[in-house]
Amino acid sequence: GQQVMQIPQYQHVQEGEDFTTYCNSSTTLSNIQWYKQRPGGHPVFLIQLVKSGEVKKQKRLTFQFGEAKKNSSLHITATQTTDVGTYFCAGPMDSSYKLIFGSGTRLLVRP
Amino acid sequence: DADVTQTPRNRITKTGKRIMLECSQTKGHDRMYWYRQDPGLGLQLIYYSFDVKDINKGEISDGYSVSRQAQAKFSLSLESAIPNQTALYFCATSDPPYTDTQYFGPGTRLTVL
Repeated sequence: GQQVMQIPQYQHVQEGEDFTTYCNSSTTLSNIQWYKQRPGGHPVFLIQLVKSGEVKKQKRLTFQFGEAKKNSSLHITATQTTDVGTYFCAGPMDSSYKLIFGSGTRLLVRP
Repeated sequence: DADVTQTPRNRITKTGKRIMLECSQTKGHDRMYWYRQDPGLGLQLIYYSFDVKDINKGEISDGYSVSRQAQAKFSLSLESAIPNQTALYFCATSDPPYTDTQYFGPGTRLTVL
């Protein structure tokens, strides 16, 4: 069945270092979404990418959607302790509005 | 995100007990979802409802049932709880066709002893 895989599972960085998480789908996606879940919290929508090769930025966060629309990445420049949490990618399941989520990348930041 | 509420927030129950988790939303969205989160496994879809008369099974529906009482209310039931149903449960809503972005409730932490 359709799968969305995310690596790495964990990343522990020193504050100020950069961080990247990668997402790969077994099928072509119409769009990809990214969510952030703070420790003890719930997933919160960050961004949606729709176009092949699309790049979007939110302050220190850069999101990319691959040319084949099967992979995506989230890059954080100069991490801060407020970036701590788990980052999930998600893509539509089949042609429906159901989402299939990656397993997430948990980011820990040493102050 | 206070637009999506879940009760209870924490629940400890015993094996074999029936338990209901409730979700309410004031966002006016037609679509509602129940997810289960286990450590390292991301979010798995249990059931979803595209409107009051439309309920569908997700990836892991065995052992669960749902009820859509109104547009704003979607309940998840465990008829006979078992320990491997210990997890964090999230309700979510979405509002296509404009977007399939999902808005999550605060979650219910369920422990089955």
